[in-house]
Amino acid sequence: DTGVSQDPRHKITKRGQNVTFRCDPISEHNRLYWYRQTLGQGPEFLTYFQNEAQLEKSRLLSDRFSAERPKGSFSTLEIQRTEQGDSAMYLCASSLAGWWEGPGEQFFGPGTRLTVL
Amino acid sequence: AQSVTQLGSHVSVSEGALVLLRCNYSSSVPPYLFWYVQYPNQGLQLLLKYTTGATLVKGINGFEAEFKKSETSFHLTKPSAHMSDAAEYFCAVSPRNQGGKLIFGQGTELSVKP
Repeated sequence: DTGVSQDPRHKITKRGQNVTFRCDPISEHNRLYWYRQTLGQGPEFLTYFQNEAQLEKSRLLSDRFSAERPKGSFSTLEIQRTEQGDSAMYLCASSLAGWWEGPGEQFFGPGTRLTVL
Repeated sequence: AQSVTQLGSHVSVSEGALVLLRCNYSSSVPPYLFWYVQYPNQGLQLLLKYTTGATLVKGINGFEAEFKKSETSFHLTKPSAHMSDAAEYFCAVSPRNQGGKLIFGQGTELSVKP
């Protein structure tokens, strides 16, 4: 397995356009997370899935943001009507949740850097 | 709401010196605790974690951290810094029974001088 992959790695768009990012997790992982990281800050949690169910959304995730994981495998994050404040690195991570104590280790992808002009 | 504070956005040490990166969390219930490292142009990588049991945990590359409940701290240490340790380090907590989501600190950039 090659780890978590994200596509595209870079995206430049104009304000008001819609963008979609894709994340392919490690194949046997049942949990998938999205985070956003701005320059000089730590990643901020956006949302997560257990299999295909979206179980939590952060208040950071406005109604312009939507995420899906249709078959419990890859996930997409769409931002509608982008704003300059959406410029950030969008990170995806996956983990295997089980019966053991504590959450499984999250493996992070390389991220998608979004620039909104 | 839980939060994580990393003291010092930038730490500089000499090669061979002790590395100490500080992390404090605020939570009424001790969360799970993590340290991640991010090298330039690379993804986040787990250094070590505390979930239960022994409060001194050892991670990769010679790093270790100690969970101190009374001080709500999880400081990261390494006895002797190498040039290759230069990177951004993030402390994170995962609240119990909340699906494993991570709440990160703002990060500490470690520089190592020859």
